[in-house]
Amino acid sequence: EVVLTQSPGTLSLSLGERATLSCRASQSVGSNYLAWYQQKPGQAPRLLIYGASTRPTGIPDRFSGSGSGTDFTLTISRLEPEDFAVYYCQQYGSFLTFGPGTKVDIK
Amino acid sequence: QVQLQESGPGVVKPSETLSLTCIVSGGSISSDVSYWGWTRQPPGKGLEWIGNIFYSGSTYYNPSLKSRATISVDTSRNQFSLKLSSVTAADTAVYYCARHGTACSGGTCYPSGGRYWGQGTLVTVSS
Repeated sequence: EVVLTQSPGTLSLSLGERATLSCRASQSVGSNYLAWYQQKPGQAPRLLIYGASTRPTGIPDRFSGSGSGTDFTLTISRLEPEDFAVYYCQQYGSFLTFGPGTKVDIK
Repeated sequence: QVQLQESGPGVVKPSETLSLTCIVSGGSISSDVSYWGWTRQPPGKGLEWIGNIFYSGSTYYNPSLKSRATISVDTSRNQFSLKLSSVTAADTAVYYCARHGTACSGGTCYPSGGRYWGQGTLVTVSS
């Protein structure tokens, strides 16, 4: 089983700041099959990135993903009010597993 | 725009079987580029993948739940279902259904990330 670790657990930032979230896998993720989700309280997850760096239609370009192998990063270039949420990474190279999440809250 | 809606009992007794259905609208469940899946989230905790199914009936399960979970598809009704047997309090969670994309490698295809999600339904295991 591929275990995902996310850091930090909580990230406290101000509006307009840059957010950098990390996701590390216990073994290499095949074909960089890594996705990122945003989840707000009471809502379903929202797919932000798949294939480590591809944004689905409709996702703002302030969200970007990078990385390969075992180390992946989600960057939010300038935080907007609606970006304060919990972010999960998920690998789908070997079954599917989620990371524990990073909470981005207002400083 | 694909829409998904979960339905099923909100309370299940311990040791019984949890049964949920996901009705798909705005798209065909027989799509050859989609997998259909279930994910759950215990109150206040993170997300746990349960499993996926292709319209042909091929299934993929979380190894930790494989012995208790069964996912099936009904193409005539454009819906798919989850059964989870021998439930305990640890199975109390919000259950989400979702449409996943397809990831292919070496000529074999698998479910990828969930693009469209239902709103989720809370199932409580309690006597």
